[in-house]
Amino acid sequence: DQQVKQNSPSLSVQEGRISILNCDYTNSMFDYFLWYKKYPAEGPTFLISISSIKDKNEDGRFTVFLNKSAKHLSLHIVPSQPGDSAVYFCAAGDSNYQLIWGAGTKLIIKP
Amino acid sequence: DGGITQSPKYLFRKEGQNVTLSCEQNLNHDAMYWYRQDPGQGLRLIYYSQIVNDFQKGDIAEGYSVSREKKESFPLTVTSAQKNPTAFYLCASEIIGTRYTGELFFGEGSRLTVL
Repeated sequence: DQQVKQNSPSLSVQEGRISILNCDYTNSMFDYFLWYKKYPAEGPTFLISISSIKDKNEDGRFTVFLNKSAKHLSLHIVPSQPGDSAVYFCAAGDSNYQLIWGAGTKLIIKP
Repeated sequence: DGGITQSPKYLFRKEGQNVTLSCEQNLNHDAMYWYRQDPGQGLRLIYYSQIVNDFQKGDIAEGYSVSREKKESFPLTVTSAQKNPTAFYLCASEIIGTRYTGELFFGEGSRLTVL
């Protein structure tokens, strides 16, 4: 049973427009959420996180929104740039300090 | 520069052979992790260690073994008991402090192919 789901395997967005990546979870005990970015043949790199006590966290072009009632979070990238083309993983953690990962969404930024 | 080094980057193994993947970090991080990534799936935790000489099984530990004799090193052995070992393996490390962030630092990964 997947506790963290990224239902879109891929997403294509025009350069300069907004990219919205979505993530759903089932475990209400998760108390923090993270987004990681991964280029091919490299390890993931941390992008942004949000605690369950917040509904929004912003860092430059990246904003993560958390809707606890819907058990849904999203990552917004504005404006999208060619270097943003990568696979984005959503991950969630609880008090056991272990992360549960989504399957990833491949973001393609078109020129 | 500080970071995590995994080696080898690519490895081929015959069925029935054990193989050891190296992971070294000079970040002075307490915790280290091994994950496995398969196409179309998220990262799955194999083993983790939060302190020297101690480690815990993750969700898919069967067929794998680890050791943590030094803070800097966390090698993973893929044994012949692992039924489907072909995958991309990722090592990560993390600071464990009073405020947990979930921010992991990853190596570049090792791709193991069983022939």
